[in-house]
Amino acid sequence: GAGVSQTPSNKVTEKGKYVELRCDPISGHTALYWYRQSLGQGPEFLIYFQGTGAADDSGLPNDRFFAVRPEGSVSTLKIQRTERGDSAVYLCASSFAGDGGAFFGQGTRLTVV
Amino acid sequence: SQQGEEDPQALSIQEGENATMNCSYKTSINNLQWYRQNSGRGLVHLILIRSNEREKHSGRLRVTLDTSKKSSSLLITASRAADTASYFCATVNSGYSTLTFGKGTMLLVSP
Repeated sequence: GAGVSQTPSNKVTEKGKYVELRCDPISGHTALYWYRQSLGQGPEFLIYFQGTGAADDSGLPNDRFFAVRPEGSVSTLKIQRTERGDSAVYLCASSFAGDGGAFFGQGTRLTVV
Repeated sequence: SQQGEEDPQALSIQEGENATMNCSYKTSINNLQWYRQNSGRGLVHLILIRSNEREKHSGRLRVTLDTSKKSSSLLITASRAADTASYFCATVNSGYSTLTFGKGTMLLVSP
């Protein structure tokens, strides 16, 4: 596709459930980032992939959060035992080599009820 | 954690005026980038300035970087109502490629 695609665009889940958020980066982009953003705040870094490996996962808040990128393209962010505090917009971005500007998807709005 | 801090948090101007937003950061950087966000969804990359550059232009945008003061400014000239958005600075630290954002400046341009 022409841009970064994130699915679903909206997700409502019950507290305690497991969710997966998907990101399709721009073809050929080796760097992929996950962020989450709460209302009125800047994007909070979660994890950065360079190829298939997580180059920096220091932003993952706890072990309920996990992300994979098995073939170096599509990435999935997985959240176990969701909590109401996990409600936010989850943003994915990709860039060619991690040193230039990043292209963002439209985000997934996660609501935990 | 967030590296950059934008100033002001909110800015309200009339169409045709210039808008200036500032960003301060804490650690040595490889480059600094500015992004725009409408309606709280996807961010759009505006401009990137590297640590060895002092000024850069792109259309109505002018970015400056002062590494000695660890600060950057974004100037939007001849603003338009369509420039209404939140603007964020983001840094790539020396030795890393993680892109770290500030809290943003909300710009309102009134017709």
